[in-house]
Amino acid sequence: DAGVIQSPRHEVTEMGQEVTLRCKPISGHDYLFWYRQTMMRGLELLIYFNNNVPIDDSGMPEDRFSAKMPNASFSTLKIQPSEPRDSAVYFCASSIRTSGGLQETQYFGPGTRLLVL
Amino acid sequence: AQTVTQSQPEMSVQEAETVTLSCTYDTSENNYYLFWYKQPPSRQMILVIRQEAYKQQNATENRFSVNFQKAAKSFSLKISDSQLGDTAMYFCAFMKRWSRAGSYQLTFGKGTKLSVIP
Repeated sequence: DAGVIQSPRHEVTEMGQEVTLRCKPISGHDYLFWYRQTMMRGLELLIYFNNNVPIDDSGMPEDRFSAKMPNASFSTLKIQPSEPRDSAVYFCASSIRTSGGLQETQYFGPGTRLLVL
Repeated sequence: AQTVTQSQPEMSVQEAETVTLSCTYDTSENNYYLFWYKQPPSRQMILVIRQEAYKQQNATENRFSVNFQKAAKSFSLKISDSQLGDTAMYFCAFMKRWSRAGSYQLTFGKGTKLSVIP
């Protein structure tokens, strides 16, 4: 398996522009997570999906952030308009829930390093 | 809510030596997973090892092993025969094992920066 795929790997944009980050989870995984990593706050969960449905978006910082999962193999995280404080590394991770209802290990993508000027 | 504490911001070890990274956590849960993830300069988050709280036996993966003390809520990582490629940030993380309606998020510590010196 190719693992979790994220694109782009690096993004540089100007304040006010729209940014879209993309993620393809591991095939067969039914959970997808978006995390953000900054020096100040460390790794924090933004939102996660189960079977393409958003379950917990309490970590989404504000209305400028939105996430979608139109199908089992694709998710986007959009920032509109972007601000310099959004500069961070954004990770996508996926996992699978077993038939017994147990949550398994989350596997991370390579991350997208976002710089907003 | 769960918290994870890594009290060593930075550590260094000589190549081929052994080093232990500390992690403590706080939770009221009884069933959970604990993880160590490695983040090299490439920024990729790589799973190093996983421990299930209901298992008495400490997990081992090649040169990596853990010392899991459930009562003390301690989960340290031991790296034997350290190699230059082990240089990275190491994050300890907690996750509930099962939750009917709760979040499956990973709660991370702040990380320990490990440098392996030739």
